[in-house]
Amino acid sequence: GAVVSQHPSWVICKSGTSVKIECRSLDFQATTMFWYRQFPKQSLMLMATSNEGSKATYEQGVEKDKFLINHASLTLSTLTVTSAHPEDSSFYICSARGGTATLEAFFGQGTRLTVV
Amino acid sequence: AQTVTQSQPEMSVQEAETVTLSCTYDTSESDYYLFWYKQPPSRQMILVIRQEAYKQQNATENRFSVNFQKAAKSFSLKISDSQLGDAAMYFCAYRPPEGGNKLVFGAGTILRVKS
Repeated sequence: GAVVSQHPSWVICKSGTSVKIECRSLDFQATTMFWYRQFPKQSLMLMATSNEGSKATYEQGVEKDKFLINHASLTLSTLTVTSAHPEDSSFYICSARGGTATLEAFFGQGTRLTVV
Repeated sequence: AQTVTQSQPEMSVQEAETVTLSCTYDTSESDYYLFWYKQPPSRQMILVIRQEAYKQQNATENRFSVNFQKAAKSFSLKISDSQLGDAAMYFCAYRPPEGGNKLVFGAGTILRVKS
């Protein structure tokens, strides 16, 4: 299958600072990328969907000014957690899909964010 | 809105035995896609198997097979000859034909494999 690389794998940041997480499709062009949040032993909650070159579509209840998503190229999407607080600590996962004809979305390895 | 329900929070199976994980979903669509994903302790999501709703034949991938009952909106996963490496969290997921093609996940089932 296609490879999606997410970086960093884990990050610790101080409360009030911003953190950027990158999601790259290594061997295909990702027209759509999805960002999920996962709490321990729980399911994946979709935060937003981004299409290359356009603004992200956020799910209900997700603060778009808090979680900034940029999908500037067909191989890179970034999620920036702004003014992070301890309650933002979580596991963030991206997935990427190469077009509407593609059935599967491929997942990155996830990023564990800890805000102290 | 579409929903996916996994009613088994945890399941256990003896090595080499067979286990079935349950999944039901709710949708008004007639054409859609269903997936089973595995999330091992590494947290990497791995696609196990997928099923197109228009196909009547149940999907099979080596030791993994599904029982897709469209009328009942049921999509169970059968793992045969269970191995220690099968231990993971398993998620059932639904994908609508349109609407950004985003996945709707169930709550997950933790599968433990006993040696």
